[in-house]
Amino acid sequence: AQTVTQSQPEMSVQEAETVTLSCTYDTSENNYYLFWYKQPPSRQMILVIRQEAYKQQNATENRFSVNFQKAAKSFSLKISDSQLGDTAMYFCAFTYQGAQKLVFGQGTRLTINP
Amino acid sequence: GAVVSQHPSWVICKSGTSVKIECRSLDFQATTMFWYRQFPKQSLMLMATSNEGSKATYEQGVEKDKFLINHASLTLSTLTVTSAHPEDSSFYICSVRQGALTDTQYFGPGTRLTVL
Repeated sequence: AQTVTQSQPEMSVQEAETVTLSCTYDTSENNYYLFWYKQPPSRQMILVIRQEAYKQQNATENRFSVNFQKAAKSFSLKISDSQLGDTAMYFCAFTYQGAQKLVFGQGTRLTINP
Repeated sequence: GAVVSQHPSWVICKSGTSVKIECRSLDFQATTMFWYRQFPKQSLMLMATSNEGSKATYEQGVEKDKFLINHASLTLSTLTVTSAHPEDSSFYICSVRQGALTDTQYFGPGTRLTVL
């Protein structure tokens, strides 16, 4: 069975700082995909970044980047130059080729302070 | 990414009544849609996977007769909460997968259900 673990229930940083959210997963699959979703107070789930397991290069999207360590089964999200609008719940998620479901982590509540 | 809408965004109903929530894929045809339930400060819990033209696949512990899912077209899936009770009050979110061979899900804005 696939599992996703986010060990940081809450985090808080000052605006403009860099913050890293942790995520580990467990799977026996070889072809899989990892995601970070953001859920702001509006509760709309927004895709932040996506990583294919077969790609060695870490995915980046503007201020968001991941550190994908396949051997360690780790998939952390780094937010650079954090902004007030980054305040949200962040969920790490996993799926594998041929599967339909997403497996979510428990979430990390991130607060950016002015 | 895909654009997904849900209607209504917020509904209040009396105990014992049924409520229908619509999920629409606005810019592509979705062969697969998903329904989630989310309790406050918790993660998303998958309720069922809905494939167009076939019966939904429910997760273990989800009552099929209480949560009726219909995926009658490639752009519309509905979730009907039958004989709603206060414990059914929750935030319901749908998502769509863009194509049968892709892996990314895009989410609707959610529906808050309050049962009095």
